[in-house]
Amino acid sequence: DTAVSQTPKYLVTQMGNDKSIKCEQNLGHDTMYWYKQDSKKFLKIMFSYNNKELIINETVPNRFSPKSPDKAHLNLHINSLELGDSAVYFCASSRGGGGNTIYFGEGSWLTVV
Amino acid sequence: DAKTTQPTSMDCAEGRAANLPCNHSTISGNEYVYWYRQIHSQGPQYIIHGLKNNETNEMASLIITEDRKSSTLILPHATLRDTAVYYCIVRVENAGNMLTFGGGTRLMVKP
Repeated sequence: DTAVSQTPKYLVTQMGNDKSIKCEQNLGHDTMYWYKQDSKKFLKIMFSYNNKELIINETVPNRFSPKSPDKAHLNLHINSLELGDSAVYFCASSRGGGGNTIYFGEGSWLTVV
Repeated sequence: DAKTTQPTSMDCAEGRAANLPCNHSTISGNEYVYWYRQIHSQGPQYIIHGLKNNETNEMASLIITEDRKSSTLILPHATLRDTAVYYCIVRVENAGNMLTFGGGTRLMVKP
């Protein structure tokens, strides 16, 4: 079983559309994250949730809204998609705070045309 | 979190040890050294971490200098599947648990 799973794996959409990427973890972790990897391959943290509460929100446009219905899920909704949103989005999870290992999903490739 | 410096790329012959260096000269006493890798088209994968003692697991060994200003990740017998980008990250406990990735080292294992 995949520990951190994301859907869809690939998504091609037009500018201006609204789309969501779903993430689920079956590790029993209480902290989940979204990372973005752009065309230059740099991985950047976007959001961090602990027990469904937002604890980190890096400089991300308001068009990006994470939603955590429960500890096992952290979905990413993006409004009014722009060309610059094209990237790979990685969901991740860990147990608690501090120095616990973070486990990543396989990524969702978003292409905005 | 302290900044790290890694070579942009390295080559290694299959079956030989791959030694990946990382400089973290501004590391604080409460910062751990973490190593992750990212194989092409996959999510980052945890390898190993340590505070000041050397560490070994089934994947790799981590050697941290006594002054903690640098470390080396050792893959004892590199295989073609170890070709990936390797990230060295130093991280404070309770820093929201987030990882700050740099550019990493692109390791190419060659036959």
